[in-house]
Amino acid sequence: KQEVTQIPAALSVPEGENLVLNCSFTDSAIYNLQWFRQDPGKGLTSLLLIQSSQREQTSGRLNASLDKSSGRSTLYIAASQPGDSATYLCAVRLNSGGYQKVTFGTGTKLQVIP
Amino acid sequence: ETGVTQSPTHLIKTRGQQVTLRCSSQSGHNTVSWYQQALGQGPQFIFQYYREEENGRGNFPPRFSGLQFPNYSSELNVNALELDDSALYLCASSWDRGTGNTIYFGEGSWLTVV
Repeated sequence: KQEVTQIPAALSVPEGENLVLNCSFTDSAIYNLQWFRQDPGKGLTSLLLIQSSQREQTSGRLNASLDKSSGRSTLYIAASQPGDSATYLCAVRLNSGGYQKVTFGTGTKLQVIP
Repeated sequence: ETGVTQSPTHLIKTRGQQVTLRCSSQSGHNTVSWYQQALGQGPQFIFQYYREEENGRGNFPPRFSGLQFPNYSSELNVNALELDDSALYLCASSWDRGTGNTIYFGEGSWLTVV
């Protein structure tokens, strides 16, 4: 059974700081991994999708890396801003009998202090 | 805006009642999946519909059922509501069972069971 863990559960940083969020998974036979952002009371916004054959993806101030063999992914946020405050979730996709089962971590709640 | 719309946004039901939640997928997407997100937890996969057929199911009892229509919109039905069913219900759409493609989420439906 795939288990996805995100550490830390919560993080508070001053504005402008670079930070790293971690995601680990137990079954390395993933199809891909996707990072999401969730604002309080809202749905999920896709940030980055990394295929299993890729090592990293970048979008603006965000960079996500994937090390499938060690079961780890990181989300790097450069020059953090108060607007980055949200919960960040990683989700891994496994092939499971004709469909792709998605398993989410419990998230890291980020607060960026002005 | 992801193009995935859900209704209603909030609702309150009494234990034992039945509820129907609705989702319109993003244009061109033929795969819809449903997730339950309890407070402080990551989303849990309920089931997935591909071209009007259920093709994957998570660890949820049969009182959770669904439909997908020819226009690829979908419904989630929950019978005999229990207090623990109180959660945010998220719908996600993608193309072709999500194979390698980004999954897009709606804003969710908040269900409170009293």
